[in-house]
Amino acid sequence: DTEVTQTPKHLVMGMTNKKSLKCEQHMGHRAMYWYKQKAKKPPELMFVYSYEKLSINESVPSRFSPECPNSSLLNLHLHALQPEDSALYLCASSQLFGQRRNEKLFFGSGTQLSVL
Amino acid sequence: AQKVTQAQTEISVVEKEDVTLDCVYETRDTTYYLFWYKQPPSGELVFLIRRNSFDEQNEISGRYSWNFQKSTSSFNFTITASQVVDSAVYFCALSPYTGGFKTIFGAGTRLFVKA
Repeated sequence: DTEVTQTPKHLVMGMTNKKSLKCEQHMGHRAMYWYKQKAKKPPELMFVYSYEKLSINESVPSRFSPECPNSSLLNLHLHALQPEDSALYLCASSQLFGQRRNEKLFFGSGTQLSVL
Repeated sequence: AQKVTQAQTEISVVEKEDVTLDCVYETRDTTYYLFWYKQPPSGELVFLIRRNSFDEQNEISGRYSWNFQKSTSSFNFTITASQVVDSAVYFCALSPYTGGFKTIFGAGTRLFVKA
């Protein structure tokens, strides 16, 4: 199983809503990532978890709240988003080998988020 | 500073043509990884290749080939006999060999292959 599964595939939410994006992988990867991708732009790193602990927060606004309940799951909780937060949100995972942390990334197909 | 430049924003070719996607990078690290990813319209980025900075051998995989030249800080990608299914956005990326999780992506090159 070499898949990263993301749900939902599409999400429309109002600025007062609370929603969550979910990501799951069963490859035994101990690094998991959230990326944000605007149309015709490259992915931008938001958060990284390694061994279920938050390793990187790229100065993301607090209306985005990540959670890593276990080594297979990664959530992104959304609250009071703005229309400019509309984007494709990609989850990724990778293996960890000691200090070698930049193995290839396995991406999910993303959640296309629209904030009205 | 680390940077990846993909100067070609869009390329359009006719099926069976060969096409080369350019990638130039900047880094102060002595060891690093270079990657190419493909993003088809479905949205999922698909890993194509990883190259270590200390391995300058070129690689061929089917219709795909990669030319890594450390002297010019380039890691170009060639598709031979392109097919419509090759239509996608292709990202070149750079990351440090040890420490840090951050992968630096280029802006991407959108490839259109017409039948």
